Amino acid sequence: DAMVIQNPRYQVTQFGKPVTLSCSQTLNHNVMYWYQQKSSQAPKLLFHYYDKDFNNEADTPDNFQSRRPNTSFCFLDIRSPGLGDAAMYLCATSKSRDGSYEQYFGPGTRLTVT
Amino acid sequence: GQNIDQPTEMTATEGAIVQINCTYQTSGFNGLFWYQQHAGEAPTFLSYNVLDGLEEKGRFSSFLSRSKGYSYLLLKELQMKDSASYLCAVSDSNYQLIWGAGTKLIIKP
Repeated sequence: DAMVIQNPRYQVTQFGKPVTLSCSQTLNHNVMYWYQQKSSQAPKLLFHYYDKDFNNEADTPDNFQSRRPNTSFCFLDIRSPGLGDAAMYLCATSKSRDGSYEQYFGPGTRLTVT
Repeated sequence: GQNIDQPTEMTATEGAIVQINCTYQTSGFNGLFWYQQHAGEAPTFLSYNVLDGLEEKGRFSSFLSRSKGYSYLLLKELQMKDSASYLCAVSDSNYQLIWGAGTKLIIKP
């Protein structure tokens, strides 16, 4: 089955220790998104890629970086995690940036910062 | 600013019908989505409305009124597995999704 895969599902890191979250997709979608979601809150868009065209949201902290080496893979790097970065990180894909296409989500990575 | 409003929490009884409302104020409109999110899991797509009216899909229906900036999700014949959060999201003029915080639906036997 075509799908969006995120690894790891759970990640524990220490305050200030860099961490990388990964996402892969077999849907061959052009658009990939990274969201941060905290408990009982709306998903917050961090970045999105349209092919290799990178789009950073204005309020995404510099601490967050992303890479998309090819169509299938996308990475979220948190350079110096703080306690406030503990959250669920969701990767999603879409066939197009046209707003009529649904987004397909991976299962998420729950990040804990100690 | 852009804003999506949904009730924080609703409770309903198994077998009953529940309507979850969503009102929005966005810069432009390119469609409205409803997603279901079980606790600790990722959102899954339920419906998409871009024209006014009712879209029916099995036990779930979604309604849109663009002039009122209003949508609702109607769930019929509620089952315990429908206990989840329901998120309303609007695609704005830049095709960015503006998300609501979600409505937590609790189903009681």
